[in-house]
Amino acid sequence: EAQVTQNPRYLITVTGKKLTVTCSQNMNHEYMSWYRQDPGLGLRQIYYSMNVEVTDKGDVPEGYKVSRKEKRNFPLILESPSPNQTSLYFCASSLQQGAKKTQYFGPGTRLLVL
Amino acid sequence: AQKVTQAQTEISVVEKEDVTLDCVYETRDTTYYLFWYKQPPSGELVFLIRRNSFDEQNEISGRYSWNFQKSTSSFNFTITASQVVDSAVYFCALSGSYNQGGKLIFGQGTELSVKP
Repeated sequence: EAQVTQNPRYLITVTGKKLTVTCSQNMNHEYMSWYRQDPGLGLRQIYYSMNVEVTDKGDVPEGYKVSRKEKRNFPLILESPSPNQTSLYFCASSLQQGAKKTQYFGPGTRLLVL
Repeated sequence: AQKVTQAQTEISVVEKEDVTLDCVYETRDTTYYLFWYKQPPSGELVFLIRRNSFDEQNEISGRYSWNFQKSTSSFNFTITASQVVDSAVYFCALSGSYNQGGKLIFGQGTELSVKP
């Protein structure tokens, strides 16, 4: 089944404790992206990657890192999480970077930073 | 600047009623793409449809239909004979040809509640 998977689905952590949210897709997609969803602010792009070893900042990259060592994986790293990073995170992928390519989303990761 | 507006924050209907979700967009791109996504209570984002700016043909898929009108910059979504399972938050999104990072610009979403 073609899908985007994220782990963990739910995470409670404390301020400053490094964490990684994994994202993997099995559709051989070149383009991958991370969004966060917050009440009143909607969905905003954090980082994106056009292909292996090619990543760039989105609208709200502060406090996050990403890497793209393999085509299928695009982990989101929070080196020192803070409470304002409490959010619902989505990973997405599409065949190519560009407007016409539909982005398919993972199931989401709910993060609570205490 | 690109923007998507979903003026209806919440809509409540009774099962079997028809309901239309409005979406108005702003863009300077001549070529752009519009999307609808569904977010059920479980939280995932489910892709429903993509429409290209150069194709104004309306589309129907079962109980779902979409009306794209470039003249009014609108891309409305109608559910016919709504069902309880249609209860969800629906997002309209825009992506332009020169949009940096291929990102989707989302509207704020419309929460649809279908009561039995």
